[in-house]
Amino acid sequence: RKEVEQDPGPFNVPEGATVAFNCTYSNSASQSFFWYRQDCRKEPKLLMSVYSSGNEDGRFTAQLNRASQYISLLIRDSKLSDSATYLCVVNYGGSQGNLIFGKGTKLSVKP
Amino acid sequence: DVKVTQSSRYLVKRTGEKVFLECVQDMDHENMFWYRQDPGLGLRLIYFSYDVKMKEKGDIPEGYSVSREKKERFSLILESASTNQTSMYLCASTRWPYNSPLHFGNGTRLTVT
Repeated sequence: RKEVEQDPGPFNVPEGATVAFNCTYSNSASQSFFWYRQDCRKEPKLLMSVYSSGNEDGRFTAQLNRASQYISLLIRDSKLSDSATYLCVVNYGGSQGNLIFGKGTKLSVKP
Repeated sequence: DVKVTQSSRYLVKRTGEKVFLECVQDMDHENMFWYRQDPGLGLRLIYFSYDVKMKEKGDIPEGYSVSREKKERFSLILESASTNQTSMYLCASTRWPYNSPLHFGNGTRLTVT
């Protein structure tokens, strides 16, 4: 069974904090990985793709650990506007129908 | 920038009605998808299409059908709406190859009474 697991949270952090989320996946044949951000009652929006070597975009860093089958998202210097639900997405390859979404981790950044 | 447009933001229908949800993308993407999202259940794939007139069942196709007559348009049809189909419906598209990310429309919140 192909599964993607995330801690649902909520993660309640003060502004300026560093916060990290993990996402585990069950199938070692997974091909590609993404983090999406979803605001309340809105559609998911791509935050970043996750590359094997890890990648950074401003305050956001994504990493992949194939041996332990997880991906992570690190947010530095949290802003109030980072409050959202963060979805992990894993593509198991073969066809686009093999995109599996985690149920999301809720982040709340407080002043 | 990719634009995926869903025809309605909010929709209220009665039980037994036939419901059409329309989705159009402007980036010539081969692949299009319909998901529904419910609290605690996350996103679940209903149907997807990888080419015109081609369709594949997702995880929860029962009670739904789809139509892809043109590359840019993917329609979701509820043949006879039921209250358990009240949900947020999200359309998405992506190009090949398989490691391309999805681009979502802004969703249709459907209520069936």
